Amino acid sequence: DQQVKQNSPSLSVQEGRISILNCDYTNSMFDYFLWYKKYPAEGPTFLISISSIKDKNEDGRFTVFLNKSAKHLSLHIVPSQPGDSAVYFCAAETGAGSYQLTFGKGTKLSVIP
Amino acid sequence: DTAVSQTPKYLVTQMGNDKSIKCEQNLGHDTMYWYKQDSKKFLKIMFSYNNKELIINETVPNRFSPKSPDKAHLNLHINSLELGDSAVYFCASSQQGTPSKLFFGPGTRLTVL
Repeated sequence: DQQVKQNSPSLSVQEGRISILNCDYTNSMFDYFLWYKKYPAEGPTFLISISSIKDKNEDGRFTVFLNKSAKHLSLHIVPSQPGDSAVYFCAAETGAGSYQLTFGKGTKLSVIP
Repeated sequence: DTAVSQTPKYLVTQMGNDKSIKCEQNLGHDTMYWYKQDSKKFLKIMFSYNNKELIINETVPNRFSPKSPDKAHLNLHINSLELGDSAVYFCASSQQGTPSKLFFGPGTRLTVL
């Protein structure tokens, strides 16, 4: 029972273009969402988050959009750089501070120089 | 000066053996976790300790026993290893106030033969 779904296992984007990574969730109790980035042979690192009271959060080249009615969020990376090539995990929790994140399977982003 | 470290990085062992994975964080965080990434790439929480007290214990076989000797350490002991235990195990920590922002270790790849 996947409560957090990342339906695209992989994505290739040209350097300088926009990367859009998508995430859907089924649990309407989720109210805090995060993106983590993972390089090979390393642990995931926190990238950006958004609370359900917002529909957008921006941090430099990274923007997360939340559409609660559609139970969908997306991560935009503009412009994409080769160093962004990694696996991106979407995660959600019921109540900020629940100590229990539910992760998606990840999307592998390849940014082609 | 690694923030969250795990040992060993790789562990290959026979079915039925008992093994331990050690984790240490030097971030001064109060909460530590064990996550498992299985062959389907899902990252799932196993345990969480806050100030050395167990606060989350997901549906994990009781062959898995976490031990937190102090706030900076959370070890995972696994008895009677089975083939299905093969996975990557990630230790993580978080600080009070931002428990969703996890700092992960590099992972331990466990292979049970």
